[in-house]
Amino acid sequence: SQTIHQWPATLVQPVGSPLSLECTVEGTSNPNLYWYRQAAGRGLQLLFYSVGIGQISSEVPQNLSASRPQDRQFILSSKKLLLSDSGFYLCAWSVNSQGEDGYTFGSGTRLTVV
Amino acid sequence: RKEVEQDPGPFNVPEGATVAFNCTYSNSASQSFFWYRQDCRKEPKLLMSVYSSGNEDGRFTAQLNRASQYISLLIRDSKLSDSATYLCVVNGERFGAGTRLTVKP
Repeated sequence: SQTIHQWPATLVQPVGSPLSLECTVEGTSNPNLYWYRQAAGRGLQLLFYSVGIGQISSEVPQNLSASRPQDRQFILSSKKLLLSDSGFYLCAWSVNSQGEDGYTFGSGTRLTVV
Repeated sequence: RKEVEQDPGPFNVPEGATVAFNCTYSNSASQSFFWYRQDCRKEPKLLMSVYSSGNEDGRFTAQLNRASQYISLLIRDSKLSDSATYLCVVNGERFGAGTRLTVKP
């Protein structure tokens, strides 16, 4: 069966520090991968999606970046965190593009920038 | 206008009640629709897809109204365990902000 792993579960980082969140998927090949952010009491905002190795599409301009060095690995990074980067970061995968068969989410990383 | 809009609630209902949520969308060409459930401080989990003809899964019924561009989720005989935030998703990527439901004894 397919599983998705995301870590760390919680993170407290100072403003201006770098960020690296990792997500890996098991049990499937060539998944579509996504990074979402959910601010407190808000909906999910799509940040990046990837349909293959090295293929990254960005939805919003910001100080975050994403990379897909391997088929089942998706990394979210920042060189310098802002207070506004605080939120709940969720990685997800789907079989079809645009999640037409639904998404499966990782357990999320709760990031607090202080 | 936001691409996907939901009434944020909260909806507070007694056990056994029937409750319905709507979700409107702006892109008339949208093709796929889903409802997700998100428990407090957890990741969203797929509840059900929404098909053009409407679909039912136990106490849950989802419907699509293309003419008015909205989808709905009906929950019958509410249980305490139904308390959660319900997110609609349109075209796979666009999530609504969620409707919070609290079922009380």
